[in-house]
Amino acid sequence: DIVMTQSPDSLAVSLGERATINCKSSQSVLYSSNSKNYLAWYQQKPGQPPNLLIYWASTRESGVPDRFSGSGSGTDFTLTIRSLQAEDVAVYYCQQYYSTRWTFGQGTKVEIK
Amino acid sequence: EVQLVESGGGFVKPGGSLRLSCVGSGFNFTNGWMNWVRQAPGKGLEWVGRIKNKDAGWRADYAAPVKGRFTISRDDSTNTLYLTMNTLETEDTAVYYCTTETLSWGQGALVTVSS
Repeated sequence: DIVMTQSPDSLAVSLGERATINCKSSQSVLYSSNSKNYLAWYQQKPGQPPNLLIYWASTRESGVPDRFSGSGSGTDFTLTIRSLQAEDVAVYYCQQYYSTRWTFGQGTKVEIK
Repeated sequence: EVQLVESGGGFVKPGGSLRLSCVGSGFNFTNGWMNWVRQAPGKGLEWVGRIKNKDAGWRADYAAPVKGRFTISRDDSTNTLYLTMNTLETEDTAVYYCTTETLSWGQGALVTVSS
């Protein structure tokens, strides 16, 4: 299985500041035939299902604020929250859907400093 | 709008069985591949398994911890996905989500396995 490793496990950021979460896969999730990275980012708040933020590594889901952005390719990816808002406090997960057996990062908890 | 509604969760003793259902709407369920993902209390997300569509022979694949105990099936006439869980263990306690291949998720169904 592809192992997804996120860093850091948690971070505290001041309101209005930038938050950056990294995700590394144990093998490339870039499909050469279509040049797409099969990598998604989710936000999860307590008692709620994961909410899709980003897919294809950098495509923002409809309705997601543009302060959320995804970047990276191959095995190294980043989720950036440009200007942290109070409602962004949550756990964030990366996921690869390149292989049949989806795998997820362990999660990164984002809090307000 | 894609909607996925899970049901059938509940409390069961170790060794028992339970069947979850997930009804999909707002997308072409018949052509879609469907997945189950679970989340133990306070833990991360774990893929459980997937079922392909009719064209792919309705083939199902499973994660190692559930293979041989869980079965994924579907009824395309009612847009319903199923997860039949047998020989349940306390480690199977989790919220179970059904998801589409296009990464839409249901609200989840809580399964608690305890004596």
